[in-house]
Amino acid sequence: GESVGLHLPTLSVQEGDNSIINCAYSNSASDYFIWYKQESGKGPQFIIDIRSNMDKRQGQRVTVLLNKTVKHLSLQIAATQPGDSAVYFCAEKTAVVKAAGNKLTFGGGTRVLVKP
Amino acid sequence: DAGVTQSPTHLIKTRGQQVTLRCSPKSGHDTVSWYQQALGQGPQFIFQYYEEEERQRGNFPDRFSGHQFPNYSSELNVNALLLGDSALYLCASSLDSSTDTQYFGPGTRLTVL
Repeated sequence: GESVGLHLPTLSVQEGDNSIINCAYSNSASDYFIWYKQESGKGPQFIIDIRSNMDKRQGQRVTVLLNKTVKHLSLQIAATQPGDSAVYFCAEKTAVVKAAGNKLTFGGGTRVLVKP
Repeated sequence: DAGVTQSPTHLIKTRGQQVTLRCSPKSGHDTVSWYQQALGQGPQFIFQYYEEEERQRGNFPDRFSGHQFPNYSSELNVNALLLGDSALYLCASSLDSSTDTQYFGPGTRLTVL
């Protein structure tokens, strides 16, 4: 079935280094992808999104790359800080008629631990 | 600008009981989606409300129902609670006429004993 998954369940990174979180998706009809950050006891927080007509999008210290050929999505965090420690989820929306809704399908998440 | 709010924060119920969770969307948003997040897993889509109607539903039994009010706020109702219903229930809001970005609230932690 349709699913969004992550390669690495836990990522340990040194403070100041760059982090890369990977995500594979299986539904080639997906047209919108989004990354969320979830800290303990909180709801998912929007980080960055990208549509399928783009390959790359940059935000503040974050970059999302989309490779539709291999159905792969990645989130790069530059100069990782202790406050970046959290669980990161990628999610996809399958292209449907807008009136049918825009549910998100989430993967299992990757925990990022930033070492001082 | 008020974000998504949910109430209550925590809730403890026993098997067989019924529960109602509440959500107020982000200011200006008209669409509300509900998700269930089990411990250590990603959120699972329950359903989405727009114009006071359920327009999309995930793989959840009829025990899960909802409602959207004219002010766009929403309720999630779960009947005949099971132990497996213990989870974090998340509400997300979006603007239908705009992008697909959904913004989440802090969630309601439901424990069923």
